[in-house]
Amino acid sequence: QTVVTQEPSLTVSPGGTVTLTCASSTGAVTSGYYPNWFQQKPGQAPRSLIYSTSNKHSWTPARFSGSLLGGKAALTLSGVLPEDEAEYYCLLYYGGAQPWVFGGGTKVTVL
Amino acid sequence: QVQLVQSGAEVKKPGASVKVSCKTSGYTFTGFYMHWVRQAPGQGLEYIGGINPETGDRKYIQSFQGRVTMTRDTSISTFYMELSGLLSDDTAVYYCAGENFSDSFKKFECWGQGTLVTVSS
Repeated sequence: QTVVTQEPSLTVSPGGTVTLTCASSTGAVTSGYYPNWFQQKPGQAPRSLIYSTSNKHSWTPARFSGSLLGGKAALTLSGVLPEDEAEYYCLLYYGGAQPWVFGGGTKVTVL
Repeated sequence: QVQLVQSGAEVKKPGASVKVSCKTSGYTFTGFYMHWVRQAPGQGLEYIGGINPETGDRKYIQSFQGRVTMTRDTSISTFYMELSGLLSDDTAVYYCAGENFSDSFKKFECWGQGTLVTVSS
């Protein structure tokens, strides 16, 4: 059973920068895992932010960026705003019998 | 614009089945592979499986094999997910999520608003 691991929680000051990571129990995350990142606020459906490691949707604010960092997928929030307080999930592609696996989510608190 | 509108909340007894719909609009129906995801109360997102809108080919993760059936009705641009043998652990919000597979990016793009399924005796 493949496990995708994210930091449970992170705290960042307004205007600051925070990096969330997404690790795979199978080894280093590469572009072939097509990392997707989602933001979810309480009581709302998830919203897609990043696809295929670093590509932004037309609605994704410029302060969000995706990358690969030290064998993990990463989501960096720069110039954080209070409205960025949310849960963030990564999703990795494995194909086969377990095609996609979500990370456990990172709760980002802006304080 | 692309919209996914799901059916309303359901309350079911243990052992029953539930069928959730996801009506699409604003794009060519065959342009999005449709995935289904669920979220138990206070928990994270869990991937269930997906269906190809063109071929109807389905892929479910092993833990749902035998209990889940995903279908689509191209005439009304709607996807369905049916889950049988419901247990209390199946209480969750169920989401449809569209992957734009017009290119090779595996781009999750849009989400339904979610359907709360409550399993209770």
